[in-house]
Amino acid sequence: NAGVTQTPKFRILKIGQSMTLQCTQDMNHNYMYWYRQDPGMGLKLIYYSVGAGITDKGEVPNGYNVSRSTTEDFPLRLELAAPSQTSVYFCASSYSAGANTGELFFGEGSRLTVL
Amino acid sequence: AQTVTQSQPEMSVQEAETVTLSCTYDTSENNYYLFWYKQPPSRQMILVIRQEAYKQQNATENRFSVNFQKAAKSFSLKISDSQLGDTAMYFCAFMKRVSGTYKYIFGTGTRLKVLA
Repeated sequence: NAGVTQTPKFRILKIGQSMTLQCTQDMNHNYMYWYRQDPGMGLKLIYYSVGAGITDKGEVPNGYNVSRSTTEDFPLRLELAAPSQTSVYFCASSYSAGANTGELFFGEGSRLTVL
Repeated sequence: AQTVTQSQPEMSVQEAETVTLSCTYDTSENNYYLFWYKQPPSRQMILVIRQEAYKQQNATENRFSVNFQKAAKSFSLKISDSQLGDTAMYFCAFMKRVSGTYKYIFGTGTRLKVLA
């Protein structure tokens, strides 16, 4: 079982560059999320999706975009990278109902540095 | 707005001993879930234990148990017989259902080191 897979694991960007963090899950979860984790802080929600074709903003969406064309994939796009986007990014997914309601399944994280 | 507070940034415990990690939260909701997640060094975050707010009985998963005090809005995690593999960052999280999805609020984490 692959679970939630994120790529790349590490990336260094220059200010103003753009990139896409890939996320795919093989658990047929409807709900998917992107979080960022800054040192000494809890996870902050960037964007989320409740199903293919449906996305919505979280707490800190500025500078990011997402799409959800399939149930499995939920890429996060960074446009015009800024030093403030230096962080560790986590993709997660969850069931929408059932006994495991609410449990988040996380990817391994992507460490992004913007210089 | 909901908040989750973990007041212990770092803790250490001797192998085989017991340690308790603290978590308090603030909410006006009555129906919600609470979670403890474990993030080992350079590895994925995984669920340790969950508690539904409507259940009075404290959740238990092998060596992990919680002390859920709903009125006090407290949700501590007890790890018994600590093992070296328990070394990790532990996050407390509050979750409620909002407009067809789940809204999570995470604490800032407690870094636990188990000493040999």
